[in-house]
Amino acid sequence: KAGVTQTPRYLIKTRGQQVTLSCSPISGHRSVSWYQQTPGQGLQFLFEYFSETQRNKGNFPGRFSGRQFSNSRSEMNVSTLELGDSALYLCASSWGDRSYEQYFGPGTRLTVT
Amino acid sequence: ELKVEQNPLFLSMQEGKNYTIYCNYSTTSDRLYWYRQDPGKSLESLFVLLSNGAVKQEGRLMASLDTKARLSTLHITAAVHDLSATYFCAVDEGGGADGLTFGKGTHLIIQP
Repeated sequence: KAGVTQTPRYLIKTRGQQVTLSCSPISGHRSVSWYQQTPGQGLQFLFEYFSETQRNKGNFPGRFSGRQFSNSRSEMNVSTLELGDSALYLCASSWGDRSYEQYFGPGTRLTVT
Repeated sequence: ELKVEQNPLFLSMQEGKNYTIYCNYSTTSDRLYWYRQDPGKSLESLFVLLSNGAVKQEGRLMASLDTKARLSTLHITAAVHDLSATYFCAVDEGGGADGLTFGKGTHLIIQP
């Protein structure tokens, strides 16, 4: 059974640019959550999607947005990048509409210069 | 606001020794997860604890949950070098609210 995949794995962007990250969940999983990991703030919840609807959003500015498609694949977008957005962005998928066991993808390492 | 505290944050130990990592959380929850992360890698699920008194074991690792004390422990028995990693606990408040709240992680180094 294929795991969660994320693309791209590495990205370097310049301040002010925007970026789109992609996540394909495990087949059959309908919930996708996104997390940001930084050395200073640790792991922080960004948002969760279930059946194409955003169910929850963490405490992040509106520059962070996302969506989920009918095949459960999800994208997150960060506009007007700031240096502090440099992080490992992790996507996790789970089966149900609650935070059941989440399976994490390998992450996208974003560096903003 | 849910707070999750792990201790210790750093732990260096010798092979063959036993040790326990503690995870305290501030609100009612009956869902707690333990993850392992190797440097530069993603999170690997270790244990899912879903009820008070739950105990799970896998190899040299054993996790338990006391929802009344709002405490989970991850016990390492006869540590081996391959267990060196960062271990995170994460709590789900329930109802899908705010995803998982993670502790800061315990960076574990096991000296051969």
